[in-house]
Amino acid sequence: DTGVSQDPRHKITKRGQNVTFRCDPISEHNRLYWYRQTLGQGPEFLTYFQNEAQLEKSRLLSDRFSAERPKGSFSTLEIQRTEQGDSAMYLCASSSGDSSSTDTQYFGPGTRLTVL
Amino acid sequence: GNSVTQMEGPVTLSEEAFLTINCTYTATGYPSLFWYVQYPGEGLQLLLKATKADDKGSNKGFEATYRKETTSFHLEKGSVQVSDSAVYFCALRRYTNAGKSTFGDGTTLTVKP
Repeated sequence: DTGVSQDPRHKITKRGQNVTFRCDPISEHNRLYWYRQTLGQGPEFLTYFQNEAQLEKSRLLSDRFSAERPKGSFSTLEIQRTEQGDSAMYLCASSSGDSSSTDTQYFGPGTRLTVL
Repeated sequence: GNSVTQMEGPVTLSEEAFLTINCTYTATGYPSLFWYVQYPGEGLQLLLKATKADDKGSNKGFEATYRKETTSFHLEKGSVQVSDSAVYFCALRRYTNAGKSTFGDGTTLTVKP
């Protein structure tokens, strides 16, 4: 069990550029989550996968954001035409178990995005 | 909608002091409740949880009881240590929309020797 890993750990980009982040969940975890966290606030839910199916997507997520989990293992989060307001820490978590409402979510270290 | 409200910080205590961090929630139905901790330079990790009313979650000397009547899940520890210095987040998850955790804004705890 090597934990949830995220890549890159830091990303600096110019406004208008596209960025893609990767998350590798704990092996055999069937659920994967993306959150966004800004300074001084708690994580904010973005989207959730069970295996390769995207089951929930926050209404706050604009059309510029897209996430995939093509084979039910790693996931990618892409932000198109980045804006300064996208600057945040992007967190990935994974879990497994009988109930998605009670299982333990294991968080990765996050990818810090800075949009200039 | 769902929401979680935590007491505002930062909180500064001396070692061996008693800790309470208040957390109240708004949600329909019966959510599961969680406390997460984020140590400096590390990722979020689950501290404890309670999945139904009157349940008590406990871990590392921390405790929290799920109080449905007051919609609260206050975090307590009888004697804090310098190593407990961290940011603490209260969160909930409903049975429906269970993939989505709703977090409070966090409370920063600093324990001084």
